[in-house]
Amino acid sequence: GESVGLHLPTLSVQEGDNSIINCAYSNSASDYFIWYKQESGKGPQFIIDIRSNMDKRQGQRVTVLLNKTVKHLSLQIAATQPGDSAVFFCAENYIYGGSQGNLIFGKGTKLSVKP
Amino acid sequence: NAGVMQNPRHLVRRRGQEARLRCSPMKGHSHVYWYRQLPEEGLKFMVYLQKENIIDESGMPKERFSAEFPKEGPSILRIQQVVRGDSAAYFCASSGTGVTEAFFGQGTRLTVV
Repeated sequence: GESVGLHLPTLSVQEGDNSIINCAYSNSASDYFIWYKQESGKGPQFIIDIRSNMDKRQGQRVTVLLNKTVKHLSLQIAATQPGDSAVFFCAENYIYGGSQGNLIFGKGTKLSVKP
Repeated sequence: NAGVMQNPRHLVRRRGQEARLRCSPMKGHSHVYWYRQLPEEGLKFMVYLQKENIIDESGMPKERFSAEFPKEGPSILRIQQVVRGDSAAYFCASSGTGVTEAFFGQGTRLTVV
């Protein structure tokens, strides 16, 4: 079964507000996490990543927080814009044999931004 | 530097036919992943390949599905004797060596009629 899941399947926010998208993972061996954004009819687009030796990483308008104690990952989007409307997926990766493993994806959260 | 290229973008096959999906990774990338996505669902891992090697095929159905990544040319996902349940979007991703982000192609949408 899925080792990565999302708490909320849909999220509706007002333009300009901050958005928080949550994700739970179950594989304690995972040491690399990525957030992807997928717009309708397109492939997933990389947003931001974080390694397990960090608990926070910031990008442009986005921040990823990692809480390894409770196996929780979140994506914060500041000043959400209509163009942010998409489905957001978290993904986890684990290392085996010294090589990169496969990305395991959660089910996704659909973010809807109201103007 | 072109991104991950998948073709065709759309593929229609009749039940029992074969489907071939192609993926050219980003330049310099030697790791390729295939994922399947049903409408309104997440991406399901299928197979992870490096040049001429299958590293992890734990997500591949035991029958009718195969994948390869030859020394030269694109990675190919082959589905033999397609059935309606194979209808989905198939995405390919590539990455460089080490723990790096994977970049996705635009996908191939397979419809079995």
